[in-house]
Amino acid sequence: DGGITQSPKYLFRKEGQNVTLSCEQNLNHDAMYWYRQDPGQGLRLIYYSQIVNDFQKGDIAEGYSVSREKKESFPLTVTSAQKNPTAFYLCASSMVPSSGANVLTFGAGSRLTVL
Amino acid sequence: GIQVEQSPPDLILQEGANSTLRCNFSDSVNNLQWFHQNPWGQLINLFYIPSGTKQNGRLSATTVATERYSLLYISSSQTTDSGVYFCAVVSTGGFKTIFGAGTRLFVKA
Repeated sequence: DGGITQSPKYLFRKEGQNVTLSCEQNLNHDAMYWYRQDPGQGLRLIYYSQIVNDFQKGDIAEGYSVSREKKESFPLTVTSAQKNPTAFYLCASSMVPSSGANVLTFGAGSRLTVL
Repeated sequence: GIQVEQSPPDLILQEGANSTLRCNFSDSVNNLQWFHQNPWGQLINLFYIPSGTKQNGRLSATTVATERYSLLYISSSQTTDSGVYFCAVVSTGGFKTIFGAGTRLFVKA
């Protein structure tokens, strides 16, 4: 079955440590995205990538980094510079048709807790 | 950037009741989606509806793009409808998908 796999599901880290969240898709989608969700809030865009080897900052990119070396993979690193990293992280992907109909498909999410 | 407002923020229904959720947006859009987030956090796409009306079972949605709003109708609600409903848009000429704050629905048995 095609879909998006995020790992790990739950992650605990100590302050000052970098962590990397994995996102893999087998939908042959061109675009991939990372969103952050805080309790009781909507989703905020961290980074997105429309093609391999290219990515753009979203609305809250500070303290995060990404790479897009393969079409299927878009890992997110939460660095020690991120002041409040405890959150639910969601990865998504979409086609990039010229019409702009980029319908998002989401993974199951990764819940990061900083101790 | 474009602003997305959803109402009501919270909604409690008795099983079997109908409801209407609203999404207002501040600029023209070429993409509007409705999502349901279940209690485990999974987001499921319900509708892609930048304009017009669509129906899928007990759910239907209408977007009036010229007046910058969309409505999600839930009929004969069930306990499994509980969760958070998000509206998400892409402004015309843009690429980023922007989410509203969501409507939290609880359906009582």
